[in-house]
Amino acid sequence: GESVGLHLPTLSVQEGDNSIINCAYSNSASDYFIWYKQESGKGPQFIIDIRSNMDKRQGQRVTVLLNKTVKHLSLQIAATQPGDSAVYFCAENRQGGKLIFGQGTELSVKP
Amino acid sequence: GAVVSQHPSWVICKSGTSVKIECRSLDFQATTMFWYRQFPKQSLMLMATSNEGSKATYEQGVEKDKFLINHASLTLSTLTVTSAHPEDSSFYICSARPRTGWNTEAFFGQGTRLTVV
Repeated sequence: GESVGLHLPTLSVQEGDNSIINCAYSNSASDYFIWYKQESGKGPQFIIDIRSNMDKRQGQRVTVLLNKTVKHLSLQIAATQPGDSAVYFCAENRQGGKLIFGQGTELSVKP
Repeated sequence: GAVVSQHPSWVICKSGTSVKIECRSLDFQATTMFWYRQFPKQSLMLMATSNEGSKATYEQGVEKDKFLINHASLTLSTLTVTSAHPEDSSFYICSARPRTGWNTEAFFGQGTRLTVV
């Protein structure tokens, strides 16, 4: 859901470990979700998406899990690397093609 | 992937002046584009939906007379911040989707950092 005014939570992991970033969404009618990565001073970059008729989707080093019962998404990053350090947002698709962004999580990878 | 380009990347303007930000889809047509604003350490907030050939649709709480949106062609949307004030300083980002179906990824511009002094 909308998260203006809230500051980003942070997640710190060791290089090589797996990262799990969580996101709660608000609209049970949302049918499509996307995870984005945003580096400082740049626009969001697509990572992976999932439709509501799925509960899991895998990409290269990333997996998204969708639990519609509790309206929860997670992004798993395997073997986290320093280049993965960024802010990660989930976004839910609303009517008219609007993407509404979640709160975001700042991922910090320690070498 | 598809490319969305914003210009300028950053701008500094004096309080009371107006600033125009351009958003272009470089390799696809976009009948709809979206404008977001992002404050430091916060999420992206949707401001408005820009519709080619018609009026923009603004989100609740966003002043349409202050943030003028024009979508004159299938590849260009502009956001004009009128009579800018320091509180308008923010990171403005546009996005577009290359296909009419909404269950596809949206591509984002690189953002425009606006500083009003």
